[in-house]
This record gives sequence, C-alpha cells and structure tokens, in this order.
Amino acid sequence: QKEVEQDPGPLSVPEGAIVSLNCTYSNSAFQYFMWYRQYSRKGPELLMYTYSSGNKEDGRFTAQVDKSSKYISLFIRDSQPSDSATYLCALTSGAGSYQLTFGKGTKLSVIP
Amino acid sequence: DAGITQSPRHKVTETGTPVTLRCHQTENHRYMYWYRQDPGHGLRLIHYSYGVKDTDKGEVSDGYSVSRSKTEDFLLTLESATSSQTSVYFCAISDTGAWGYTFGSGTRLTVV
Repeated sequence: QKEVEQDPGPLSVPEGAIVSLNCTYSNSAFQYFMWYRQYSRKGPELLMYTYSSGNKEDGRFTAQVDKSSKYISLFIRDSQPSDSATYLCALTSGAGSYQLTFGKGTKLSVIP
Repeated sequence: DAGITQSPRHKVTETGTPVTLRCHQTENHRYMYWYRQDPGHGLRLIHYSYGVKDTDKGEVSDGYSVSRSKTEDFLLTLESATSSQTSVYFCAISDTGAWGYTFGSGTRLTVV
C-alpha cells in the first residue's frame, strides 16, 4: 500500500461548481498536511496547510483533515477556469529533515 | 519564484553523458531538495540537503549525485544519463520544513 493515495482524475466540472479533492494516507505519523497547486509546465505552489483535524478556510478554499480516518480533503467553492490545474496533497511527520510525501496529484479542469 | 532559480530550464543530452542541474536560492533556507516528476509517479525525492556539505539520499537516488558547497547552491549530477532519467526535475527549498516547500520552475531534461 502506498503511503498516500490520490485519485489522478482527470476531473472536469462546470464553472461555479463545488470541487472536492481527496487523499488517503496510511502512516499515522503524518501530522502536517498541505495542498499544492501546479499549473501546466510550472512548479507546484503551496495553497494551504494545516496541522490539526478539522477545517481551515481561505477564501474559496477549505482544507479538511480527519486524522482518525486518515483522510484529507480540499474543497473549492464557486470554481473558476483559473482553478484548472493539478492539485497535489503533501504530508509530513514534521520531524528531522522535513521530507514531504506527495500524492500523485489530481488534474482538474473547470469548464466555462 | 520566491528567490529560487533552476538552470538550465530545458536540456537535451545524449545517453551516457554527465549532466549537472543547478538550483540557486537567495532565501538562506537550510533545506534543499531535488525531485523528479513523471506521469503516473508524481513527485519523487532524489536527494536532499540539510546544510552545507550535508546531504542524504531520497527514494530514487540511483544514478544521481548531489553537492552543496554553499548555502545558496545545490547541484544535481546525472553521472551517466540514461533515457529513464528523461523527466522534469524540480528543486525545492524549505526553512521551516513542516509548513511546506517553495519550488523552482523546473528543468525539463530529455535524454536521447
């Protein structure tokens, strides 16, 4: 079993839809959870990060962590064509060299 | 990209030749990482550094070496390039680690 599982999609939604992106993980040592957005032919950029279970909101984006189920989600409200990108979850235990373990990414297309 | 520069941006090289990719940062961050990104595999850690002259192997280090003689520079060398090393290579930097990395724009390497 991979440490982090993420559905690669592709996911295609109409503009204005609510998008749900998810990752599951197996290692309970993971304590810090991040979402990266990667536009085509660009490097990933940090979108959101969270430490605890629960929700964290930033504008149209909400990150949700359920440590008991080892499940993390990113919700995008009122999706826009500019949200079209690949979204990667990333996790770390926060110890030592701070290595991140990445999901493979979900490719999202928001259709006008 | 927040003080991180990768060079070259694109390179085509022949099988069996050595290749060096450079990552330069102006953020004075302690940690530096080299990843490769391939379809179906996502981001995989090649090597990382936790200080000048302090480096360690990642998940896919075979065929690669690194050096860090200054805080700001992290070099990745493909000792004898093979077609399987055709990929997009990303450098990342981190100061606090747990709160994520900043990525460079990537180097697209083709080995023919």
